[in-house]
Formats: sequence, C-alpha cells, structure tokens
Amino acid sequence: GAVVSQHPSWVICKSGTSVKIECRSLDFQATTMFWYRQFPKQSLMLMATSNEGSKATYEQGVEKDKFLINHASLTLSTLTVTSAHPEDSSFYICSAQNVRSGTGIGNTIYFGEGSWLTVV
Amino acid sequence: AQSVAQPEDQVNVAEGNPLTVKCTYSVSGNPYLFWYVQYPNRGLQFLLKYITGDNLVKGSYGFEAEFNKSQTSFHLKKPSALVSDSALYFCAVRDTGTGGFKTIFGAGTRLFVKA
Repeated sequence: GAVVSQHPSWVICKSGTSVKIECRSLDFQATTMFWYRQFPKQSLMLMATSNEGSKATYEQGVEKDKFLINHASLTLSTLTVTSAHPEDSSFYICSAQNVRSGTGIGNTIYFGEGSWLTVV
Repeated sequence: AQSVAQPEDQVNVAEGNPLTVKCTYSVSGNPYLFWYVQYPNRGLQFLLKYITGDNLVKGSYGFEAEFNKSQTSFHLKKPSALVSDSALYFCAVRDTGTGGFKTIFGAGTRLFVKA
C-alpha cells in the first residue's frame, strides 16, 4: 500500500536552532499534504495545508514565520521549525492526499509515522 | 505492538438512520483514543477523544463513541445520519504504556450518507 515517510522520527535540538522535518510520499504523488502537531493528551491540531508549487495555507494562530512549510515536489513537503524553543517540543505528523484518488470523499489519505521534536 | 484497525473501508447509510463506524485497537498500556473527520481537500477535524472517565464520549456534530476495554473497541456512532456527514473518518490511538507519544491512525472509513 501507499506509504508516507517522515524523517527524522526523533530529533533533539538546542533552543534557538532550526530543525527540518521531511514528509515524503514514497510510491504516489501528493498535490496536498497536511501538517499537524499533537501535545500529550490532546488531539491533533492542524497547522497548515501544503500545496505543491504554491504557498502553504496556515491555520489561524499558527505562526507562518516560525513554521516554514515547503512543498517543492509531488512527493516531498518539509516543515522547518525556526528558532525553536522548548514550547515547540511536540509530536508533528503529516498526511498526504493521493492525487489519483481524486478530491471527493473517496480520496485516499495516508499518514506519516510522526516526528517527535524535543527542544532543550 | 500498538495498532489500530478500521475494519470497514466504506459504510453506506440512509439519511436519518443511525450510523456506526468501527474501530478496534491494540496497546500495551492505557489508550488515548481519538476520532477525526476529513472532508474533501480539507485537513482533519477533531471529533472526540477518550482519555479517562466515562466510557461514552460525546463529541462534535452529534457524534459519540463508546470505549469498550474488554473488546478493545472505540466505535463511532450517531443516532441520525445527515448527508453532510459523508466524509472520511479516522480513528487514532496513542499508547501510554510504552513511554512514547506515538499516535497511530487507522486506514480510514469512507462514510456515504444517501438522501
């Protein structure tokens, strides 16, 4: 089946540095990818919708300059957490929409394994 | 190992009828359980969660889910389906027993509500 891979699975970085998380669709093309974050005991929070070749659409309250999203190809979207701080520590997960499945409710969405970020 | 299963790829119901979307899970510790809905070309929307407490959890848009520990299930239900409920539904589980925070998603169930 279709696979979405996130890298790295775990990352620890120093406060003030930037860290990049990749989301790849391994065997299908994805015009749209979604980025989420999740805190302990909380549900996922949609951060942004990433469209190939265009600017990402950010949800209200998400800082665009802090969470940089790039969707340069149909198989790769990246999330860069800039000037990370301990409060950015969270579980980040992406999902990708399979182009060939169309855009109706029959479309197919696949989730990455998630990336756990710890800022120290 | 942690896992979650949505045994039905698709569920069809008539408007006004009750609906059930099934979810079963496997964890080593106590589970946190979530249901999400995704409309076409949109991100996930949170419906409800079970962390602890009452086994029957009520959520958004009239949905509810029942945590059944003995059957390791967390089925999503609604007494009366609407055409607008047609969407993709995802069940997710986080295993608190492993010390990690990984959330696993089911493959999704497509719900079609016919007028």
